[in-house]
Amino acid sequence: GAVVSQHPSRVICKSGTSVKIECRSLDFQATTMFWYRQFPKQSLMLMATSNEGSKATYEQGVEKDKFLINHASLTLSTLTVTSAHPEDSSFYICSASVQGEEAFFGQGTRLTVV
Amino acid sequence: QKEVEQDPGPLSVPEGAIVSLNCTYSNSAFQYFMWYRQYSRKGPELLMYTYSSGNKEDGRFTAQVDKSSKYISLFIRDSQPSDSATYLCAIGGSSNTGKLIFGQGTTLQVKP
Repeated sequence: GAVVSQHPSRVICKSGTSVKIECRSLDFQATTMFWYRQFPKQSLMLMATSNEGSKATYEQGVEKDKFLINHASLTLSTLTVTSAHPEDSSFYICSASVQGEEAFFGQGTRLTVV
Repeated sequence: QKEVEQDPGPLSVPEGAIVSLNCTYSNSAFQYFMWYRQYSRKGPELLMYTYSSGNKEDGRFTAQVDKSSKYISLFIRDSQPSDSATYLCAIGGSSNTGKLIFGQGTTLQVKP
């Protein structure tokens, strides 16, 4: 299957700072990328959908000003957690797909805000 | 009611056992049904992908979809300790753009 690389795999940051997570499709061009969040022992919850060159669509309850998503190219989407707080600590996972095809997941980023 | 319901387990079986994992869903419009395996602290990896109803087999894994009952299953034959992981069902809408709704996941432990 296709490869989606997510970086960093783990990050610890201080409360009030911002953190950027990158999601890259390495061997295909992704028209759409998705960002999920997973709390311990819970399922993945979709946060937002981003299409290359357009604004992301956020799911209900997700603050777009806090979770900034940029999908500047067909191989890269970034999620920036702004002014992070301890409650933002979670496992963030991206997936990438070509329209109408299956989505491939990155390996996830574990964010810890202290 | 959640859109996708999955028993979180944990489920513990001896090596070689047949494992049955299940999910129910509420919206009959869903057309795409997936099973993902997720090891601890890793992203999910796709195991099986079924469109609409029916069965699909791949090695030791069989996925079944019963749209009339809104019920999907994953069977693992001859289970191995390496199968120990969390198994997530996921469903997609009328067009598979990758936007998925996940079940809670079932934690499986296969004991040698």
